[in-house]
Amino acid sequence: EVQLVESGGGLVQPGGSLRLSCAASGFTFTDYWMSWVRQAPGRWLEWVANIKPDGTETEFLDSVKGRFTISRDNAKKSVYLHLNTLRAEDTAVYYCATQSSTNHKYWGQGTLVTVSS
Amino acid sequence: QSALTQPASVSGSPGQSITISCTGTSSDVGAHNHVSWYQQHPGKAPKLMICDVSDRPSGISDRFSGSKSGNTASLTISGLQAEDEADYYCSSYTGRSTPYVFGTGTKVTVL
Repeated sequence: EVQLVESGGGLVQPGGSLRLSCAASGFTFTDYWMSWVRQAPGRWLEWVANIKPDGTETEFLDSVKGRFTISRDNAKKSVYLHLNTLRAEDTAVYYCATQSSTNHKYWGQGTLVTVSS
Repeated sequence: QSALTQPASVSGSPGQSITISCTGTSSDVGAHNHVSWYQQHPGKAPKLMICDVSDRPSGISDRFSGSKSGNTASLTISGLQAEDEADYYCSSYTGRSTPYVFGTGTKVTVL
């Protein structure tokens, strides 16, 4: 059974940092690009970042470039999203998902990030 | 990159068919046959229902079907059931610096 389990969310002050983790199981992790997708309260889904299977390529949403980084550890079957210089508008549930060339097939249950003073 | 436009809500009675539209531009929906649809129940993770405009992943009911014309994609749910009540999001590959864009979401209500 495919499982993606996110962790690391929480309450953080504006300007603060967090590291989100996503542990994968039940599929060949190195076959997939991995994405992070977020959903602000009462809003729609928004793609945030992705990383190539070997970790050599990454892409980011314009509004998070320079503030967020993404990494993966294939030995641990995990992907990470490093959130820096957080803003109130970054408040959202953050999902990790497998990414094929055209869609996101498997999703985790998400972890909530709240940016507030 | 702006979100794709979906109607806020669509409703139907059990057994009926409903269609949800997803309007983009010639840079996303109109440019690629890579439109996907996701179902999301409250508090749950999204679930892939349709990929590449009209393909159903294994295990997805054939009551769900997809199509596209120009810059607008559509999801049709036939034989509407109570369990279909959820939010539905479209998504398109863009081939640009933001490779994926999602729709504004449609709440489906089964009357």
